[in-house]
Amino acid sequence: SQKIEQNSEALNIQEGKTATLTCNYTNYSPAYLQWYRQDPGRGPVFLLLIRENEKEKRKERLKVTFDTTLKQSLFHITASQPADSATYLCALVKDSNYQLIWGAGTKLIIKP
Amino acid sequence: DAGVIQSPRHEVTEMGQEVTLRCKPISGHDYLFWYRQTMMRGLELLIYFNNNVPIDDSGMPEDRFSAKMPNASFSTLKIQPSEPRDSAVYFCASSQTGSAGPTDTQYFGPGTRLTVL
Repeated sequence: SQKIEQNSEALNIQEGKTATLTCNYTNYSPAYLQWYRQDPGRGPVFLLLIRENEKEKRKERLKVTFDTTLKQSLFHITASQPADSATYLCALVKDSNYQLIWGAGTKLIIKP
Repeated sequence: DAGVIQSPRHEVTEMGQEVTLRCKPISGHDYLFWYRQTMMRGLELLIYFNNNVPIDDSGMPEDRFSAKMPNASFSTLKIQPSEPRDSAVYFCASSQTGSAGPTDTQYFGPGTRLTVL
C-alpha cells in the first residue's frame, strides 16, 4: 500500500542552525510534492511545491529537495528561529486523481 | 480576501445527534476539500468537489457522513447520527486549478473541533 513517512518524534534544533526534515514514500510515483506548516489550533499553510522533474526549490530560508530515486524529500530551514517552531507536513500528489496524500507531520522545536 | 471560513469553530454534541459543519471557500476557487485530522490518523481527505460537483467521496467513512455544495460559495459536511469516534478537527480547504493541477496550493480554513460525547 502507499505510505508516506515523516519523523514521528519531535525535532529539537538550536536557534541559528539548519533544521532538516525528511519525507519518505513507498509504492508511489508522485507527480509533485508539497510542504505545509501547521501551528497549533490552525489549518495547514502551504510553503513550497516541487515537481518530479525538479531537484531543488528555494524560498527565502526554505529549501526543498526531491529525489525520486530514493523516494525522498528533504525540507531545510536555514538560520532557524524560534518562530519556525511548528509541525511540518509533506503531501504527495498522483497525477491520476489529484488527491493529496499526507504524511503525519514532524514537530519542529527551535530553542533560543 | 478573508480566506476560507468555517463554522462553527467548536462543536460539542451528544452521541446520536446531527452535526452540520459549514465552509465558505475563497472566492474564485474551483476546488473544495473536506478533511478530518486526528492524532492517530493524521490528515485524511474525506471528499472533494470541483465546480460544486462531488468528484471523489471514497474517503467518507460511512453513510453517516454526507457533504453538499449547493453553490460555489458554500459547502456543508453533515454527520447523522454522530458517534464519539467522529471526534476530530474537520478542515475545509479550497484551491484554484493551477499549473500543477487542481491541488497546486490548498488554502485551509481554521477548522472545526468536533467533540461527540
